[in-house]
Amino acid sequence: KQEVTQIPAALSVPEGENLVLNCSFTDSAIYNLQWFRQDPGKGLTSLLLIQSSQREQTSGRLNASLDKSSGRSTLYIAASQPGDSATYLCAAGWAGSYQLTFGKGTKLSVIP
Amino acid sequence: SAVISQKPSRDICQRGTSLTIQCQVDSQVTMMFWYRQQPGQSLTLIATANQGSEATYESGFVIDKFPISRPNLTFSTLTVSNMSPEDSSIYLCSVEGDSSGGEQYFGPGTRLTVT
Repeated sequence: KQEVTQIPAALSVPEGENLVLNCSFTDSAIYNLQWFRQDPGKGLTSLLLIQSSQREQTSGRLNASLDKSSGRSTLYIAASQPGDSATYLCAAGWAGSYQLTFGKGTKLSVIP
Repeated sequence: SAVISQKPSRDICQRGTSLTIQCQVDSQVTMMFWYRQQPGQSLTLIATANQGSEATYESGFVIDKFPISRPNLTFSTLTVSNMSPEDSSIYLCSVEGDSSGGEQYFGPGTRLTVT
């Protein structure tokens, strides 16, 4: 059974700090990995998608990496802002399936 | 990317009743997905809906409880039938983007509370 784990479950940082969110998955036969942001009571906003053939993707202050051999992905947020406060979810896609397997998320609080 | 809307955004329902959730996409898509997010939990796929065919349900979900319609390439509905408090969740629909990368986009969700 494919599983996705995110550590820590919650993280609080002062504004301006750089931070890393972690995601691990049990099956290295991953097709892609997607990072989402979820604001309280809201839907998911896609942040970055990394294909299995890629090592990283960047969008603005966000950088996501993928290491299939170790079963890990990280989301790096530079110069954090209070507006970055949200729950960040990673989800793994597997070859031959449309289903995404989600982690439980990391709740990020950026303190002004 | 795809723009997805859902109706209703939230509802409070009595046990034993049913609620139909609508999902509208701004472009034609082959696959639409319905997910459930129970309180404090992550998302779980309920079913995959193709236009013109029966939905495919994941383990633990059945058509009698979660009937799905997919009448065209931009619209789908999910009904939560004979509701109980355990059905209180956020229900989200999603679609796969038109790129080959498999990126999925999600609607804003429907927050359901069953009393």
